[in-house]
Amino acid sequence: DSGVTQTPKHLITATGQRVTLRCSPRSGDLSVYWYQQSLDQGLQFLIQYYNGEERAKGNILERFSAQQFPDLHSELNLSSLELGDSALYFCASSVHQYTGELFFGEGSRLTVL
Amino acid sequence: DAKTTQPPSMDCAEGRAANLPCNHSTISGNEYVYWYRQIHSQGPQYIIHGLKNNETNEMASLIITEDRKSSTLILPHATLRDTAVYYCIVRVARVGEETSGSRLTFGEGTQLTVNP
Repeated sequence: DSGVTQTPKHLITATGQRVTLRCSPRSGDLSVYWYQQSLDQGLQFLIQYYNGEERAKGNILERFSAQQFPDLHSELNLSSLELGDSALYFCASSVHQYTGELFFGEGSRLTVL
Repeated sequence: DAKTTQPPSMDCAEGRAANLPCNHSTISGNEYVYWYRQIHSQGPQYIIHGLKNNETNEMASLIITEDRKSSTLILPHATLRDTAVYYCIVRVARVGEETSGSRLTFGEGTQLTVNP
């Protein structure tokens, strides 16, 4: 158990819909990261927050957005969903913003039908 | 960050040492080598990292060549639970810079299968 909590674990929805994935980092961790893992793309970095501020951005689509709240939990919002958005979405956290030692949650599996 | 090359798959007998190689010939002086693993569909798990000295922790040992162009992750006594995809990642340490953030770039990794 990494201490990072993600909800929901599984989510099935239809194309065009919007979903929100939630992440609670480990106690004391200030940085949160989101990664997407699909069968054909591997693990892709989406975005990083540190203490509420966006710190780094990867291959995140414009239909996707994220934020980190004052209590340090984070949400990833996915809208206008397409079949290709079906993937595992992982959240990770770390104490510092410049570390490579990340603690990953168990992921949220999104299926778009 | 420098690119890494790993064999796509390896097998190891249970109880034996598993030696996973990684080539990072374009590594720069300020880039660290990180290893993660991912057991089927679970979240990636940090294993170990190093800059130029060999490192050991309760999970594994990391051997980095003197020229730093390659490294080997060693699992001393592999078990069936070590079956996973192992990722070797090279990352710049940006200590002190406040704006660039951080990211890990995962490649394809090595699928290690530990056989009974």
